[in-house]
Amino acid sequence: GAVVSQHPSWVICKSGTSVKIECRSLDFQATTMFWYRQFPKQSLMLMATSNEGSKATYEQGVEKDKFLINHASLTLSTLTVTSAHPEDSSFYICSARSGTGYSPLHFGNGTRLTVT
Amino acid sequence: AQSVTQLDSQVPVFEEAPVELRCNYSSSVSVYLFWYVQYPNQGLQLLLKYLSGSTLVKGINGFEAEFNKSQTSFHLRKPSVHISDTAEYFCAVSDSGGGADGLTFGKGTHLIIQP
Repeated sequence: GAVVSQHPSWVICKSGTSVKIECRSLDFQATTMFWYRQFPKQSLMLMATSNEGSKATYEQGVEKDKFLINHASLTLSTLTVTSAHPEDSSFYICSARSGTGYSPLHFGNGTRLTVT
Repeated sequence: AQSVTQLDSQVPVFEEAPVELRCNYSSSVSVYLFWYVQYPNQGLQLLLKYLSGSTLVKGINGFEAEFNKSQTSFHLRKPSVHISDTAEYFCAVSDSGGGADGLTFGKGTHLIIQP
């Protein structure tokens, strides 16, 4: 089946530093990738949608200058949390889709970010 | 705009008992409906999906769900649960417009299996 690899699975960083999270589709070409954020015991909130080769579309309230998304190829998207603060600590999950709206999403295993 | 409501944040069930996790949605257009399962500190795994056709959808791990358009519901069921079914379950909706749209998730239901 379709596999999405997300790396790292967890990261601890100091306040003010930047952290990059990678999301790769291993056995299919992901025309669209999505980044979600999940707070403890809550649902997934869509942060942004990215299509290969174009700028990401951010959801309302998500700071595009803080959460930089680059969808460099059909198999790789990255999320960079810039100048991280403790309130950015969360569980970030990426997902990928190879087709249109009715194609199921394939999820990575998530990245636990802790900012100290 | 579309939304998903999972009425129960937590459902405790005894092992080998049946379970139903409720999901209601609202949308101004036709929808595609999904159930995902999330184990601790992991991503989401697709259990089943409704795209069209038969309203009774069978998924993995013995789960099934029934799409009811008149009641705008997509409840998840399993006739006999196992300890390994303990997890967070998310109902999600995507509109049928196609294109690069993400899913709208419900808040999740924590299924707790008691021995």
